[in-house]
Amino acid sequence: NAGVTQTPKFQVLKTGQSMTLQCAQDMNHNSMYWYRQDPGMGLRLIYYSASEGTTDKGEVPNGYNVSRLNKREFSLRLESAAPSQTSVYFCASRDRAYTEAFFGQGTRLTVV
Amino acid sequence: DAKTTQPNSMESNEEEPVHLPCNHSTISGTDYIHWYRQLPSQGPEYVIHGLTSNVNNRMASLAIAEDRKSSTLILHRATLRDAAVYYCILRGRGSGSARQLTFGSGTQLTVLP
Repeated sequence: NAGVTQTPKFQVLKTGQSMTLQCAQDMNHNSMYWYRQDPGMGLRLIYYSASEGTTDKGEVPNGYNVSRLNKREFSLRLESAAPSQTSVYFCASRDRAYTEAFFGQGTRLTVV
Repeated sequence: DAKTTQPNSMESNEEEPVHLPCNHSTISGTDYIHWYRQLPSQGPEYVIHGLTSNVNNRMASLAIAEDRKSSTLILHRATLRDAAVYYCILRGRGSGSARQLTFGSGTQLTVLP
């Protein structure tokens, strides 16, 4: 039972480079989320997708784009990475609004 | 989303009970109270949730005040593995903003051997 799988686990980018963080869940959940967590801070919502085919901005969407490729997969793209985007990124999914969410293990991204 | 207030940090001795408080004075009648925890270098994990009645599961108990303006997560016997940041979150049942899951800064629990 894999749950929520994120790839890659670690990444170093140079300023201005682009990359896509991948997230897949095997629990047939409707909703998926992308968060970032800066050192010593709580999680902040970047984007979420309430269902396949829909995406919405969260608290800190600037500099990011997302794609809900299908029900299983929700990717996060950095078009032009900046040092301020150095963070740990977590993907999560859940079935309905008031049920428990499941999180991936995170992607540690460093932009130099 | 209604806001929650938690202490920044708490300490407990190993094998003793821990009571983690959360204030949510603006909670609405349909908001569920959820608790998550985040172990070092891991993603958050679900602990427990409730609406009005106290709840128990294998990990913890949740005590909800009668007016629902506060709640307490109870770890019955803290172990070193329970050292984590604990987040108290309110979740609505409606559409729109209820679709988001918003984390505050949580309570850092330190368990002393």
